[in-house]
Amino acid sequence: DTEVTQTPKHLVMGMTNKKSLKCEQHMGHRAMYWYKQKAKKPPELMFVYSYEKLSINESVPSRFSPECPNSSLLNLHLHALQPEDSALYLCASSTPTSGGDTDTQYFGPGTRLTVL
Amino acid sequence: SQQGEEDPQALSIQEGENATMNCSYKTSINNLQWYRQNSGRGLVHLILIRSNEREKHSGRLRVTLDTSKKSSSLLITASRAADTASYFCATDAYNTDKLIFGTGTRLQVFP
Repeated sequence: DTEVTQTPKHLVMGMTNKKSLKCEQHMGHRAMYWYKQKAKKPPELMFVYSYEKLSINESVPSRFSPECPNSSLLNLHLHALQPEDSALYLCASSTPTSGGDTDTQYFGPGTRLTVL
Repeated sequence: SQQGEEDPQALSIQEGENATMNCSYKTSINNLQWYRQNSGRGLVHLILIRSNEREKHSGRLRVTLDTSKKSSSLLITASRAADTASYFCATDAYNTDKLIFGTGTRLQVFP
């Protein structure tokens, strides 16, 4: 199974709502990622988990809260978002880096988030 | 910013023609990867070329890497309408799990 799944596909939320994005993979990958992508722009890295521990936080605002409950699951908890947070949120997984060589990342289809 | 630059930003060609996209990056790398993204979807890995390689092929794809110029190119031969997508290069940040994506090239292939 080389698939990364993400739910929901679309999410519309108000600025006072609390919601969560979910990501799942069963490839045995121990590195998982959250990216944010605006239209016609490249993905921007938000967070990296390696062996279920947060290894990279790219100075993301605290209204985004990641969680890695186990090696197959990755969540992104959303609270008090702003309209400018509307974007495509992508999850990815890979084998963690060893010997300095970054491996191929496998991406999910993304969650299209709209904040009203 | 460490972000790489790609050119052209957009490319329109007819089916059967070749498409060439270029990527320039700023730091030393272990490898460079190319990804494809259909509109509003996730990215799909196409090919990985290591810093000690100069050229790599995969089907209709040909990738070159020039580490002295910090640049790479992706050639798609005999393009098809289904190749219409955005293409991103990505470089690794040494000894981290981080990929640094280029700005992307939007390819449109007309039937």
